[in-house]
Amino acid sequence: EIVMAQSPATLSVSPGERATLSCRASHSVNNDVAWYQQKPGQAPRLLIYGASTRATGTPARFSGSGSGTEFTLTISSLQSEDFAVYYCQQYKTWPPLTFGGGTKVEIK
Amino acid sequence: EVQLVESGGGLVQPGGSLRLSCVASTFTFSNDNMNWVRQAPGKGLEWISYISSSGSTMYYADSVKGRFTISRDSAKNSLFLQMNSLRAEDTAVYYCARDWGSCSGGSCASLPLFDYWGRGTLVTVSS
Repeated sequence: EIVMAQSPATLSVSPGERATLSCRASHSVNNDVAWYQQKPGQAPRLLIYGASTRATGTPARFSGSGSGTEFTLTISSLQSEDFAVYYCQQYKTWPPLTFGGGTKVEIK
Repeated sequence: EVQLVESGGGLVQPGGSLRLSCVASTFTFSNDNMNWVRQAPGKGLEWISYISSSGSTMYYADSVKGRFTISRDSAKNSLFLQMNSLRAEDTAVYYCARDWGSCSGGSCASLPLFDYWGRGTLVTVSS
């Protein structure tokens, strides 16, 4: 099973600032990583797949990068609606499909 | 726009059973691979089961293998999860989620990541 580890667990950022979230895979997953955003009481929403391809409707301020075992989600200028929990997921080697533990982006 | 609506959650005693349903409002359901993903209270996401569009291939997480069964009725645009021998650690919100898919020039591809999710149904296992 491929383990996905996200850091930090919580990120405190001021609106308008840049946020950088990390995700590390226990084995290489090439670029088969997706990122999701989840707000309280809501289902997750797909943001990024293929490590760097924005899903339909994802704002351009969200960008993904990385390959192999190290991945990054960057939010260039945080808006109020971006404060949420973010999860990475690998889909290179499955079953099982595995998620990281999440990074909570909170208002500083 | 694809909509997925789960139902069937509730309070059940340890060792009990529950059947979850997910109805999809999409004309492509018969071509869609589907999944169940759960989230324990205050915790992260856990994929638990997959079924192919044809219903011929199913996968399960080790945590539910042998106790849960995924199935589908494409004629009714419905996905199911039969949950037996429930444990306290099965307490979670259960989401149905569709594999990402894209069609171009008459050719379609899918990937095991999730582009549409339902709002979830809460299952509580407690005495």
